[in-house]
Amino acid sequence: EDQVTQSPEALRLQEGESSSLNCSYTVSGLRGLFWYRQDPGKGPEFLFTLYSAGEEKEKERLKATLTKKESFLHITAPKPEDSATYLCAVQKQGAQKLVFGQGTRLTINP
Amino acid sequence: DAGVIQSPRHEVTEMGQEVTLRCKPISGHDYLFWYRQTMMRGLELLIYFNNNVPIDDSGMPEDRFSAKMPNASFSTLKIQPSEPRDSAVYFCASSLAAWDEQFFGPGTRLTVL
Repeated sequence: EDQVTQSPEALRLQEGESSSLNCSYTVSGLRGLFWYRQDPGKGPEFLFTLYSAGEEKEKERLKATLTKKESFLHITAPKPEDSATYLCAVQKQGAQKLVFGQGTRLTINP
Repeated sequence: DAGVIQSPRHEVTEMGQEVTLRCKPISGHDYLFWYRQTMMRGLELLIYFNNNVPIDDSGMPEDRFSAKMPNASFSTLKIQPSEPRDSAVYFCASSLAAWDEQFFGPGTRLTVL
């Protein structure tokens, strides 16, 4: 069964304090790994898709990386507006649906 | 484009009542997904459509749940009869193709008393 595990469940940082969020996955034949950001009371918002081990993508203070077993979302010098829940999801080869992890709730204190 | 539109944004109903949630996907998107999000179970896929045809409804919890897509611009998720354990946030999402990113609506927060 496909599984996605995110850690930590919650992370509290000071503004400017860099850190990483982890997404471990078990899937037979990964087609793509997706990262989303979700603000309270809103729907998830797409950030990145990664397709192969070694791939990296960046957007502002966020950088996502992928290995054969996990993905990391690195956040550099975060600001309070980066506070949100970050979700990762996997899509297997030949499948059309996404399987989501439970998310990491990130809080950046000013 | 206005993005994915869902209505109502909030729904409070009593156990046993019928509930209908509505979704308008982004124009031109061929795929439509219905999700349910709870603290305990996270974001779960209920059903998805391709070109208005249901493809996989294996996530629909029970026969009390049904979904339709009568045309490319409208879908409904119906719960009848509703139960307190159905309380959750229900999201609709759409995508151009199966492998593309999904765009989510703002969700409908359902409370069943």
